[in-house]
Amino acid sequence: SQTIHQWPATLVQPVGSPLSLECTVEGTSNPNLYWYRQAAGRGLQLLFYSVGIGQISSEVPQNLSASRPQDRQFILSSKKLLLSDSGFYLCAWTSDLWSSYNEQFFGPGTRLTVL
Amino acid sequence: AQSVTQLGSHVSVSEGALVLLRCNYSSSVPPYLFWYVQYPNQGLQLLLKYTSAATLVKGINGFEAEFKKSETSFHLTKPSAHMSDAAEYFCAVTSPGGKLIFGQGTELSVKP
Repeated sequence: SQTIHQWPATLVQPVGSPLSLECTVEGTSNPNLYWYRQAAGRGLQLLFYSVGIGQISSEVPQNLSASRPQDRQFILSSKKLLLSDSGFYLCAWTSDLWSSYNEQFFGPGTRLTVL
Repeated sequence: AQSVTQLGSHVSVSEGALVLLRCNYSSSVPPYLFWYVQYPNQGLQLLLKYTSAATLVKGINGFEAEFKKSETSFHLTKPSAHMSDAAEYFCAVTSPGGKLIFGQGTELSVKP
């Protein structure tokens, strides 16, 4: 069966520090991968998605970036964190980008607090 | 463009009462619709999905939703609320390319 992992589970970082969040998927190959951010009291905002190694699409311009160095690994990064980057970050995968009826499967999330 | 509106950011019901969470969508193509549930500090879990096979969709934990094209709605219901149903619920619609567009979420509280 497929599983999705995210780490770390929680993170407290000072403003201006770098960030690296990791997401890995097991039990499937060539997944489509997504990064979402959920700010307090708000819905889910799609940040990035990837259909393959090295292929990244950005939905919202910001100081975050994403990379996909391996088929089942998706990394969210920042060179300098802002207070507004605080939130709950969720990684998700789906098996076929072009089959719109396929649901996305979510990881457990990373709680990021920027102080 | 696709969009989702969830009416009511917070809904409170008594244990044993009917749960009704409202979702209206806008879509330029036949929509695929989803309901997800999120427990505190966890990821999202799929409750049910509509993929045009049947307008009444049954999901996990006793939830169901009815697709009504004329009303552009996909409301989530459960006949009898349990304390364990307290969570945040998200309605979503797919957009071209398979991305999901989420509503703002509805927090469900269940009173004993």
